[in-house]
Amino acid sequence: EDQVTQSPEALRLQEGESSSLNCSYTVSGLRGLFWYRQDPGKGPEFLFTLYSAGEEKEKERLKATLTKKESFLHITAPKPEDSATYLCAVQGGDSNYQLIWGAGTKLIIKP
Amino acid sequence: NAGVTQTPKFQVLKTGQSMTLQCAQDMNHEYMSWYRQDPGMGLRLIHYSVGAGITDQGEVPNGYNVSRSTTEDFPLRLLSAAPSQTSVYFCASGRGAKNIQYFGAGTRLSVL
Repeated sequence: EDQVTQSPEALRLQEGESSSLNCSYTVSGLRGLFWYRQDPGKGPEFLFTLYSAGEEKEKERLKATLTKKESFLHITAPKPEDSATYLCAVQGGDSNYQLIWGAGTKLIIKP
Repeated sequence: NAGVTQTPKFQVLKTGQSMTLQCAQDMNHEYMSWYRQDPGMGLRLIHYSVGAGITDQGEVPNGYNVSRSTTEDFPLRLLSAAPSQTSVYFCASGRGAKNIQYFGAGTRLSVL
């Protein structure tokens, strides 16, 4: 059964304190792993797609990496505006569009 | 472009009432879907569509109906609301091999 597990559930950091969020997955034939950001009261917003082990993507203070079993979202020198819930999702080999979602990591950056 | 528009933003229903959540997109996306989001759980797929006239069930379809008469619109109908359907509902659309999905702002539904 395809499954996505994110850890930790919540993470509190001081401004400037770098850290990583984890997304572990099991899926038959990974077609893509997606990272989204969700602000309170809003819908998820797309950040990155990773397709194969070893791939990396960067956007401002965020960097996503992928192995055969997990993905990491590294946050370097975060700012309070990086506070949000970060969602991970995978698309399996037999799906054209359907995604399996993790429960998310709530990130709080304190000034 | 407005993107994905959901209405209403908030709704309170009594058990047994029916209602329709509206979703419209102006990006000419072939794929549209409905999710529900509950605390501590990932987004769960209710129903989806890969084009006008084509719909299919997702992970949690019971108690919900959908139709897709146009590319733009994908309404979700609650047939007889139950307290277990209290949730936040998101509509999403996407297109092409990259499968980037765009979400609406959500409808917060309470069933009393």
